[in-house]
Amino acid sequence: GAGVSQSPSNKVTEKGKDVELRCDPISGHTALYWYRQSLGQGLEFLIYFQGNSAPDKSGLPSDRFSAERTGGSVSTLTIQRTQQEDSAVYLCASSFRLDIGTEAFFGQGTRLTVV
Amino acid sequence: AQSVTQLGSHVSVSEGALVLLRCNYSSSVPPYLFWYVQYPNQGLQLLLKYTSAATLVKGINGFEAEFKKSETSFHLTKPSAHMSDAAEYFCAVTGQGNLIFGKGTKLSVKP
Repeated sequence: GAGVSQSPSNKVTEKGKDVELRCDPISGHTALYWYRQSLGQGLEFLIYFQGNSAPDKSGLPSDRFSAERTGGSVSTLTIQRTQQEDSAVYLCASSFRLDIGTEAFFGQGTRLTVV
Repeated sequence: AQSVTQLGSHVSVSEGALVLLRCNYSSSVPPYLFWYVQYPNQGLQLLLKYTSAATLVKGINGFEAEFKKSETSFHLTKPSAHMSDAAEYFCAVTGQGNLIFGKGTKLSVKP
């Protein structure tokens, strides 16, 4: 596609349920990033992929959060046993190669509400 | 490891006044630096980037930023604010493939 696509755009879930958030990066982009955006907290880094491997998982808040990327393309962020503090906008971005200064392009995000 | 500090979570200027949004970075390797803007209810888009070609970088909508290695800064400026500049601005750094953002500065423009 022309841009980074995220689905669903909105998700309301009950506390304790698992959720999966999907990101389709721009074709040919090897790097993929997940962030969480909460009011007043800026963009909190969660994880990034280079190809299918994740060199940096340091931002995942707890072991309830996991992410995978298959075929060097689509990525899924999974949150198990959701809590109310997980409510936020989850943003995905992709880049050809950030280590040479090419920019990252962002999706519109998934707004997650845990009730 | 990289980190970014944006001084001032909220900046308010009058229309026509100078805009100055501050960003300081920390990086263990030569950095690439970015400024992104997020307009209300919209996604993030790139304003400008520093990739070592020139220390003064010009971006879209009249914004520019200057990379100062000695001060580890990459402040964003615009000579004359416009009402349409009201948005949240994020500074980001990378150097090893990761991309780390500051907490953002919300810019308000008063008529």
